[in-house]
Amino acid sequence: EIVLTQSPGTLSLSPGERATLSCRASQSVSLSHLAWYQQTPGQAPRLLIYAVSSRAIGIPDRFSGSGSGTDFTLTISSLEPEDFAVYYCHLYGSLPPGTFGQGTRLE
Amino acid sequence: QVQLVESGGGVVRPGRSLRLSCAASGFRFSDYAIHWVRQAPGKGLEWVAVLSHDGNDKKYADSVKGRFSISRDNSNKTMYLLMNSLRTEDTAVYYCARDFDGYCNSGGCYYYYMDVWGKGTTVTVSS
Repeated sequence: EIVLTQSPGTLSLSPGERATLSCRASQSVSLSHLAWYQQTPGQAPRLLIYAVSSRAIGIPDRFSGSGSGTDFTLTISSLEPEDFAVYYCHLYGSLPPGTFGQGTRLE
Repeated sequence: QVQLVESGGGVVRPGRSLRLSCAASGFRFSDYAIHWVRQAPGKGLEWVAVLSHDGNDKKYADSVKGRFSISRDNSNKTMYLLMNSLRTEDTAVYYCARDFDGYCNSGGCYYYYMDVWGKGTTVTVSS
């Protein structure tokens, strides 16, 4: 079973700055099956990125995903106030179906 | 409007049972697998279970295997999570989420990312 480790646990930045969030897999991820979700307090998660780098419908282009193998990155080019949230990476297409990282809090 | 709405949460004593529902609207429910994902207070996301579009393939997290059961009624566009032998550690917000493009072939069933989420229903297990 592949384990996803996100870093840092908490990232402290200001609006307008660039955010770089990391997700590392314990084994190589095949077929680019990695997604990212955003969760604001009291809300359900929202799909941001799928297939490593494809933005979901309605997601602003300041959000981008990259990576391969075991190392993946979510980048927010210029932080807006609404971007301060918790971000989770998710490995799919393998077993178990729902492997999530532990999350990065962006504050 | 594509939507999932969970219901059935509440406060229950350890060892008791509870059934959650997830009602779908705005899309062809019978075409999609549906997941349950939970989030304990102050914690991250934990995948719980998934059911294929036709109800023939079910997968569970080890933490709930043998206690939770997942089912669906495609005619009523509703998904269910029956939770038996509840424990205090099952206390969480439970979300249902649509699987974008899961499929089954001769090698088994494979599930993808979750593109639509409900707002969640809260389950509290406490004596």
